Amino acid sequence: NAGVTQTPKFRVLKTGQSMTLLCAQDMNHEYMYWYRQDPGMGLRLIHYSVGEGTTAKGEVPDGYNVSRLKKQNFLLGLESAAPSQTSVYFCASSGTTPAPFFGPGTRLTVL
Amino acid sequence: EDQVTQSPEALRLQEGESSSLNCSYTVSGLRGLFWYRQDPGKGPEFLFTLYSAGEEKEKERLKATLTKKESFLHITAPKPEDSATYLCAVHPGGYQKVTFGTGTKLQVIP
Repeated sequence: NAGVTQTPKFRVLKTGQSMTLLCAQDMNHEYMYWYRQDPGMGLRLIHYSVGEGTTAKGEVPDGYNVSRLKKQNFLLGLESAAPSQTSVYFCASSGTTPAPFFGPGTRLTVL
Repeated sequence: EDQVTQSPEALRLQEGESSSLNCSYTVSGLRGLFWYRQDPGKGPEFLFTLYSAGEEKEKERLKATLTKKESFLHITAPKPEDSATYLCAVHPGGYQKVTFGTGTKLQVIP
């Protein structure tokens, strides 16, 4: 039982490049989330999903897109990376109990 | 708008020196308050869920309590391995969107 896994762990992009962050959970959770964590800002919700095939905007969705084609996977895309997107990205999931369970994070630097 | 404020931002304790971390919140209809521990370079690790005022939860040297406006994380006789950032979050219900505080960074000195 791996819980929530994220790929990659680290990534460096140049401004304007695109990438996809992968998240997988093996707990059969309905809800999945993407957060970003910045110093002094706490965890902020980017997008979330309440089930397979659904997505919704969170607090800071601009510049990001998501897809949930399979229940266990939640993908976060950056179409044209900007330095303001330098952050640590966490995927999380939750089921019948509302507390999200987090993955190990992806540290992204945009130059 | 849901808000979570944690204090202090940072706390330095001697080993064995008990203290409390505070989490003040405003939320429309609290369905749950969560505490997490986060070590540097890692994801938040779930500790407790509190559902109603007066509820208490314990785990080793940690005890979480809840009132209608705030929650406390009491640390009894802390050890250096308790050093971490502790996050508080509130769940208002609905589509399970959770609002996090910015955390208290705890350092326990041997």
